[in-house]
Amino acid sequence: EVQLLESGGGLVQPGGSLRLSCAASGFTFSSYAMSWVRQAPGKGLEVVSSITGGGDATYHADFVKGRFTISRDNSKNTLYLQMISLRAEDSAVYHCAKDYRGSFDFWGQGTLVTVSS
Amino acid sequence: VVMAQSPLSLPVTLGQPASISCRSSQGLVHSDGNTYLNWFQQRPGQSPRRLIYEVSNRDSGVPDRFSGSGSGTDFTLEISRVEAEDVGVYYCMQGTYWPKYTFGQGTKLEIK
Repeated sequence: EVQLLESGGGLVQPGGSLRLSCAASGFTFSSYAMSWVRQAPGKGLEVVSSITGGGDATYHADFVKGRFTISRDNSKNTLYLQMISLRAEDSAVYHCAKDYRGSFDFWGQGTLVTVSS
Repeated sequence: VVMAQSPLSLPVTLGQPASISCRSSQGLVHSDGNTYLNWFQQRPGQSPRRLIYEVSNRDSGVPDRFSGSGSGTDFTLEISRVEAEDVGVYYCMQGTYWPKYTFGQGTKLEIK
């Protein structure tokens, strides 16, 4: 059974940093691209960052470029999102999602990030 | 690629059909010949769940009252008879242009 378990969210002040983690199980982690998708309160879904299975290529949406870094440790079956210079508009539930053939076939339950003073 | 859904709000009577439209700003046929158009359901308080992939393929466990259709830039999710458990927000998403996957705005389905 595929499981994705996010952690690391919390309350942080504007300008602060957080590191999110996503522990994966139930599939060959290194064989699949992974993404972080966020959802601000009452809003829709948007892809934040993506990374290939081997970690050799990454993508960051323009609204986080230069502030967020996606990475993975395939030996630990874990996906990360390092977030710095956080802004109020980054407040959202952050989901990790498994990428397969142009789709997100499995999602984690999400971790809440709140940026507020 | 911009994904535009309509309607954004969909009140439906139990047992009646429902239809959601999704239009993309560019064609979604990939160079491999497949069309990576997906539909997700997000029930209140839950994470998104994929219902349909590659336009019309239902995921395991998805009731057959859900169906997807379309081609090119126009796609539709249909529910043949709405049940109470179908309440939530439905999103289309294109996965043709990796890594820039994009979602529609979401359609909120509620029971009249």
